Amino acid sequence: EADIYQTPRYLVIGTGKKITLECSQTMGHDKMYWYQQDPGMELHLIHYSYGVNSTEKGDLSSESTVSRIRTEHFPLTLESARPSHTSQYLCASSESRGTNEKLFFGSGTQLSVL
Amino acid sequence: AQRVTQPEKLLSVFKGAPVELKCNYSYSGSPELFWYVQYSRQRLQLLLRHISRESIKGFTADLNKGETSFHLKKPFAQEEDSAMYYCALRAPGGSYIPTFGRGTSLIVHP
Repeated sequence: EADIYQTPRYLVIGTGKKITLECSQTMGHDKMYWYQQDPGMELHLIHYSYGVNSTEKGDLSSESTVSRIRTEHFPLTLESARPSHTSQYLCASSESRGTNEKLFFGSGTQLSVL
Repeated sequence: AQRVTQPEKLLSVFKGAPVELKCNYSYSGSPELFWYVQYSRQRLQLLLRHISRESIKGFTADLNKGETSFHLKKPFAQEEDSAMYYCALRAPGGSYIPTFGRGTSLIVHP
């Protein structure tokens, strides 16, 4: 079934650890996105990609990095996690229609950095 | 730069009452506007987009360019409408990356 998957669903780690949040989609979409979601706050765009080997930083200053080696895979890496990184991370994808593109979201990863 | 403002963090109504979730935007051109919804323990998903001019689950939204608003309305709220609602904007001519508001939590009491 075509879907977008995020793992892990929950992650609790210590400060200074390197972590990778996984996101994969089987929808054949070119565009993929990472958003950060905190309660009562806007969804902040962290990174996006238009396709393989294309990655861009979003509006939110982030110490994370992403890669897009395969169309279906868009992992997010934090080299050294800090408590300020505690948040919900949402991955999304969309097909390239040009106008009025609909975003499909994953279930999210809730990250807690102690 | 485009911006989306949802002035209400929380909207609480009783079942059967009318609902209006406000969304104002700042963008000088003709934006693409959307409402996304997140029910408890479910993913964020598209509710409706202005270009479709459709009614989904009884909700409608009209783009008012003069007031730069895209308010979401439903004449009679149901308990199952309780959720987080996010207004989003895509700006043609730019990066086309959606910008979201902070969301409004709608609670419908029985």
